[in-house]
Amino acid sequence: DTAVSQTPKYLVTQMGNDKSIKCEQNLGHDTMYWYKQDSKKFLKIMFSYNNKELIINETVPNRFSPKSPDKAHLNLHINSLELGDSAVYFCASSQTGLNQPQHFGDGTRLSIL
Amino acid sequence: AQTVTQSQPEMSVQEAETVTLSCTYDTSESDYYLFWYKQPPSRQMILVIRQEAYKQQNATENRFSVNFQKAAKSFSLKISDSQLGDAAMYFCAYRRGGAGTASKLTFGTGTRLQVTL
Repeated sequence: DTAVSQTPKYLVTQMGNDKSIKCEQNLGHDTMYWYKQDSKKFLKIMFSYNNKELIINETVPNRFSPKSPDKAHLNLHINSLELGDSAVYFCASSQTGLNQPQHFGDGTRLSIL
Repeated sequence: AQTVTQSQPEMSVQEAETVTLSCTYDTSESDYYLFWYKQPPSRQMILVIRQEAYKQQNATENRFSVNFQKAAKSFSLKISDSQLGDAAMYFCAYRRGGAGTASKLTFGTGTRLQVTL
């Protein structure tokens, strides 16, 4: 199936740990994104990569480090996890173009104990 | 900075009836795009409908249509013949236009829609 897929879907871990979330898209898109959805359901952009180049970095703590090995993959690594990092993280992709919509993955629910 | 406001945290509609969800936005740009996304309990983010700001005609997708008022910066979503499967959070989103523009989406705070029998 063509899609944006994220792994894992659920991640439960303790404060202070380091974790990664992976994202892959097989839609042939050249731009990928990470969004964070907090407990009040508010969605906010974190990062965006276009053809492996970082183009958006929205005042995110440097404990968060995205990595794009190729334009089909955008991973998110988080160091020294804090309670406030608990959220749902969505990966999305789109094709550069004036009105191309973003396609979202199913989200990764990160819970910090 | 662009902002998107959804003033209705919750709405309810009876099955088969029509409901309108409100969205207003603030921007100084003339070239932009507007979207409605649906997020059911399954957590997926599903694109419902999109509108290009340069188009005067309101977008329509089956039972979903928008009322785009550019001067008023308003972009409401109308759902006709509501179905139980329409129950979800609905997010209005804005994206700047222009070639080479970093295309992040700015979301509203969402409206939770309940559909009753």
